[in-house]
Amino acid sequence: KQEVTQIPAALSVPEGENLVLNCSFTDSAIYNLQWFRQDPGKGLTSLLLIQSSQREQTSGRLNASLDKSSGRSTLYIAASQPGDSATYLCAAALFMNRDDKIIFGKGTRLHILP
Amino acid sequence: DTAVSQTPKYLVTQMGNDKSIKCEQNLGHDTMYWYKQDSKKFLKIMFSYNNKELIINETVPNRFSPKSPDKAHLNLHINSLELGDSAVYFCASSQAPGGEKPQHFGDGTRLSIL
Repeated sequence: KQEVTQIPAALSVPEGENLVLNCSFTDSAIYNLQWFRQDPGKGLTSLLLIQSSQREQTSGRLNASLDKSSGRSTLYIAASQPGDSATYLCAAALFMNRDDKIIFGKGTRLHILP
Repeated sequence: DTAVSQTPKYLVTQMGNDKSIKCEQNLGHDTMYWYKQDSKKFLKIMFSYNNKELIINETVPNRFSPKSPDKAHLNLHINSLELGDSAVYFCASSQAPGGEKPQHFGDGTRLSIL
C-alpha cells in the first residue's frame, strides 16, 4: 500500500533563506509526483509535476527533484518570500492503468518570517 | 473565467438532510475528481470520472453519489448527512486520468453538519 509522508509538518524560515521540503513514498512504482500549494481557505494550486522518467523540474524559484529508488522527492524554494507562506503537499500517482490513484501527503505548513 | 468552480462555497445543514455540491470546469478536461479534506487537513480521493464514466470509487459510504451529466460537470449528492461528513470537499479536473497531467482544483466547499 502506497503511503506518502511529508516531514516536517510545519516549518518557519526567515525571509530570504533557501529551504527544502521533503516528501517520501513507500512504493517506487509511481507514474509521477506532483507538488501543490494550498493557501488558507483555498483549493490546491499545482506547482510542479515530475514524470517518473525525470529527475527534476524547475519553475522560477522552485525546483523539485525525484529519486524513485530511494522513494524521495524534495521541493527546493530559493530566496523565500513572505508570499511563499502556505501549505505544500506532494502527491504520488501510482502506476498508470485504468485504476490509477493519487495519494497525497499531509503537507508541510510553511511560514516565512518577514 | 474561473477554471474549476464549486458551489456552494459554504454549506451548513442539519444531520439527516440531503445536500448536493456542484462542480464545473471550463478547461475542456476529460477527467474530474472529488476529494475530501478532513479536519487534520488530510486530502483523500473519493471519486474519479473520465469522460462521464466512473473510474475510481474509493471506500466511500453509498450515501455519497456522484453524477456527471457531461464532461464539464461532476456533482456530488450526499444523503442522510452525518456529523462525520463535516469536511472540505474539493473538486478537481485534469486532461487525463491517473495523474498523468496536472490537476486543477476548485476552492472547496466547506460542509458543516450541525
